Amino acid sequence: GAVVSQHPSWVICKSGTSVKIECRSLDFQATTMFWYRQFPKQSLMLMATSNEGSKATYEQGVEKDKFLINHASLTLSTLTVTSAHPEDSSFYICSANDRVSYGYTFGSGTRLTVV
Amino acid sequence: KNEVEQSPQNLTAQEGEFITINCSYSVGISALHWLQQHPGGGIVSLFMLSSGKKKHGRLIATINIQEKHSSLHITASHPRDSAVYICAASTGTASKLTFGTGTRLQVTL
Repeated sequence: GAVVSQHPSWVICKSGTSVKIECRSLDFQATTMFWYRQFPKQSLMLMATSNEGSKATYEQGVEKDKFLINHASLTLSTLTVTSAHPEDSSFYICSANDRVSYGYTFGSGTRLTVV
Repeated sequence: KNEVEQSPQNLTAQEGEFITINCSYSVGISALHWLQQHPGGGIVSLFMLSSGKKKHGRLIATINIQEKHSSLHITASHPRDSAVYICAASTGTASKLTFGTGTRLQVTL
């Protein structure tokens, strides 16, 4: 079945540094990828939608200069959390939409802790 | 009122019980999705439905388009089924998903 590989699965970084999270669709082409954030025991919150080769569309309230999204190919999208602060600590998860089956496949998530 | 409503929010069952989770939606959809999120956080897509019924192992998902309602059934539940089950609506090709609040299921021995 469709697989999305997300790395790293967890990361601890210092305040002020940047962290890059990668999502790669392994066996299908993903024209569209979605990036979510989730706080403990809460629903997924969509941060942005990225389309291959074009700028990401950010949801209201999400700072695009802080959460940089790049979708350079049909199989790879990255989220960079710039100048991380402790309040950015959260679970980040991506989802890719298969351009053939229209199904959604999720990555395994990245637990970010900013100290 | 949320566009996608799920019930119950929490569910505890004993091993072997038949479980039903309900989802109602108020938006026009292209498909209704059932997702499973395990305690570690990873999310698995269980079903994508636009009509009728689908079955995979002990899991069955149904949808009634006229009533805008979907159900997820688990037969012969097992502790490994313990997870959060989420229904989500997509409104078009590659559209963003609108999520229900999730149902936290705990299956005990």
